[in-house]
Amino acid sequence: QQQVKQSPQSLIVQKGGISIINCAYENTAFDYFPWYQQFPGKGPALLIAIRPDVSEKKEGRFTISFNKSAKQFSLHIMDSQPGDSATYFCAPPPKGGKLIFGQGTELSVKP
Amino acid sequence: GAGVSQSPSNKVTEKGKDVELRCDPISGHTALYWYRQSLGQGLEFLIYFQGNSAPDKSGLPSDRFSAERTGGSVSTLTIQRTQQEDSAVYLCASSLRGRLETQYFGPGTRLLVL
Repeated sequence: QQQVKQSPQSLIVQKGGISIINCAYENTAFDYFPWYQQFPGKGPALLIAIRPDVSEKKEGRFTISFNKSAKQFSLHIMDSQPGDSATYFCAPPPKGGKLIFGQGTELSVKP
Repeated sequence: GAGVSQSPSNKVTEKGKDVELRCDPISGHTALYWYRQSLGQGLEFLIYFQGNSAPDKSGLPSDRFSAERTGGSVSTLTIQRTQQEDSAVYLCASSLRGRLETQYFGPGTRLLVL
């Protein structure tokens, strides 16, 4: 049963541009919204996360924004760099449940 | 070691053989998870251990898959009578109790079934 939908599946951005990845969820209540980053040949690693009681969180060039009414949260990468090229997964855990990973977005930042 | 370790890093086996994959979680992490990632695909949950509680096996794809966790630490994922569709990267992760949103992943075991 799919509870999160991630888009786009792939994204190509020029160096210095803004990368935006979206994650839409359905009816289940989540209590934490993490984004994971995975480089080729490596396991995923937690990048940034937000709780639903705040609408935005910024860490360096990475920002999560949360729209409760739209049931959507987004990852913004400002001033995208070639080193940001990776696959990004949203992975909200339902209350008391296990992580549900989105399908992943493959980001490629062109120099 | 500071992180989650997995062994072997790569495994090539013949169809029908059994394989065992090992995961060493971060010391002190009571929760341990196994995921499967097929080429270019997302992460498929397999099984979840939390302390001494009964594991959540809801993601295991068939009865050929099993996992155990001994002494609350090391875990072994066993695949019996491997099939070609079992070829994938098997990832292990661990987390602190009550912090399942923050999982630390190992590098994975790349399994190829010929």
